[in-house]
Amino acid sequence: GAVVSQHPSWVICKSGTSVKIECRSLDFQATTMFWYRQFPKQSLMLMATSNEGSKATYEQGVEKDKFLINHASLTLSTLTVTSAHPEDSSFYICSAFGTEWVVNEQFFGPGTRLTVL
Amino acid sequence: SQQGEEDPQALSIQEGENATMNCSYKTSINNLQWYRQNSGRGLVHLILIRSNEREKHSGRLRVTLDTSKKSSSLLITASRAADTASYFCATDWYTGNQFYFGTGTSLTVIP
Repeated sequence: GAVVSQHPSWVICKSGTSVKIECRSLDFQATTMFWYRQFPKQSLMLMATSNEGSKATYEQGVEKDKFLINHASLTLSTLTVTSAHPEDSSFYICSAFGTEWVVNEQFFGPGTRLTVL
Repeated sequence: SQQGEEDPQALSIQEGENATMNCSYKTSINNLQWYRQNSGRGLVHLILIRSNEREKHSGRLRVTLDTSKKSSSLLITASRAADTASYFCATDWYTGNQFYFGTGTSLTVIP
């Protein structure tokens, strides 16, 4: 099956620094990738839709200048949390959608746990 | 909010019993999918049901979809301790590929 990886799996950073999270589709081309965040014991909230070669589309309430998304190739999307603060501590999950599937099936990465001190 | 709602929020059953969880959503959908998530881990895709389907089976899983009531249910039969996890429904619409997840049900199966 399709595999999506994320790197790093866990990151701890100081308040005010920026953190970059990578999402890669390993064995397929992903024209669209999605970024979610999940707080403890809560559901996944869609943050943004990342389309290869174009600007990301952000969900209402998500600051695009805070969460920078770049989808420079068909296998890589990055999420950069700029000037991170403790309230940004969360589990960030990406998913990838490939054009070869007729049905809308997204393949999810294992997640990145961000802790901001 | 575009997020669906699931109930119950938490469910605790004995091993061997059946577990039923429900998902309600707000707008017309294209597909509805169920996922499980073990604590602090990634998502595992369980089953997809299309808007023109009413019921689907996969092993010990049975999913129903009632588009008139905008609701779906997931039944896990003969539960096992390893089924302990959080279960989420996710819907997508005809207008795009975005997924919107329900609030989730935390299932505990007691050995």
